[in-house]
Amino acid sequence: AQRVTQPEKLLSVFKGAPVELKCNYSYSGSPELFWYVQYSRQRLQLLLRHISRESIKGFTADLNKGETSFHLKKPFAQEEDSAMYYCALRTGGYNKLIFGAGTRLAVHP
Amino acid sequence: GAGVSQTPSNKVTEKGKYVELRCDPISGHTALYWYRQSLGQGPEFLIYFQGTGAADDSGLPNDRFFAVRPEGSVSTLKIQRTERGDSAVYLCASSPSGRADEQYFGPGTRLTVT
Repeated sequence: AQRVTQPEKLLSVFKGAPVELKCNYSYSGSPELFWYVQYSRQRLQLLLRHISRESIKGFTADLNKGETSFHLKKPFAQEEDSAMYYCALRTGGYNKLIFGAGTRLAVHP
Repeated sequence: GAGVSQTPSNKVTEKGKYVELRCDPISGHTALYWYRQSLGQGPEFLIYFQGTGAADDSGLPNDRFFAVRPEGSVSTLKIQRTERGDSAVYLCASSPSGRADEQYFGPGTRLTVT
């Protein structure tokens, strides 16, 4: 069965520290992976997708098919990065997204 | 332009009652999705519409849940004989045709069944 695992419920760092939010998936085919973010009192929004291979707000994520991972990284965390982060998987031929349970990132001054 | 809107923002109902949750997608978006998010969990897929038809309803948990989109725009999620376990935030998303990778989410409806 397809599944997304985010092993950390909470990640707490100081401003300026590097951040890595972990995401692992299970799917035997060719996946599409996404990171969504939800800031306090805001709606869920797309942060980045692996196909675009882009950096958004300083965040990057690389799909590692060998390790079935799509970890989200940022070299220097900012306080405004504090939010809930969800990793999501879309499998071939289907339009639904399968989400992980989310990781709360707290960046302290 | 306006994003996805959902009404009501909060709904409290008694066990056994019927509820309807409404979603207004972004104008021009032909695809519409419903997800359910329980406390401490990520969104869980319920149903996907392409136009007026339900293209994938594999996520509906049982036959108490039903959704419609009669004119290919607004959608209503209907829950019969509500149970306490139905308490969750119900999220709606929409995307342009053929772009399931561009889902725009609404603010959600928080349903509480007492």
